[in-house]
Amino acid sequence: GESVGLHLPTLSVQEGDNSIINCAYSNSASDYFIWYKQESGKGPQFIIDIRSNMDKRQGQRVTVLLNKTVKHLSLQIAATQPGDSAVYFCAENGSGGYNKLIFGAGTRLAVHP
Amino acid sequence: NAGVTQTPKFRVLKTGQSMTLLCAQDMNHEYMYWYRQDPGMGLRLIHYSVGEGTTAKGEVPDGYNVSRLKKQNFLLGLESAAPSQTSVYFCASSPNTGELFFGEGSRLTVL
Repeated sequence: GESVGLHLPTLSVQEGDNSIINCAYSNSASDYFIWYKQESGKGPQFIIDIRSNMDKRQGQRVTVLLNKTVKHLSLQIAATQPGDSAVYFCAENGSGGYNKLIFGAGTRLAVHP
Repeated sequence: NAGVTQTPKFRVLKTGQSMTLLCAQDMNHEYMYWYRQDPGMGLRLIHYSVGEGTTAKGEVPDGYNVSRLKKQNFLLGLESAAPSQTSVYFCASSPNTGELFFGEGSRLTVL
């Protein structure tokens, strides 16, 4: 079946350090991947996305890397700030079409001063 | 531009009761989705719609029904609520490609 998983359920970092959140996906047919941030009591917020014809994409303080060979996705956050503390989800679009996203279980990022 | 709006935000039901969650989007998106989120888990797709008048089952559709009578609205119904349906429900919309835009969630407790 299709699944998206994460290596680390909780990640603790010091303020100012770089954070790396990893994700494994299982469906080779997925061609769209996305990272969401979810703060407590709120809905998921878009961070960055990448299509399968790319290996890397950069945003403001965030970079997503895609390794299709090993079906691995990562989110890098530069100079992590207390406001980055949240749960981060990766998602893939699978093979069913209609932009249906399949979510991983999430990684909690805790930023310490 | 409010984005995706869900009502109600909180609801407590007794087992066997029925209710409807309403989702409204003002972005003219074709696609709409209902997900549920349980503690320690990611979001799981319940039902989705690819246009007005169309609906389809997602990963966990049992016990739920949906309707999309107007393009901007997507309703999720529980005909006979069960404790296993205690969850946080998220509605989302999207154009035919790209990111999903999520609402703030509706927290449902079934006693």
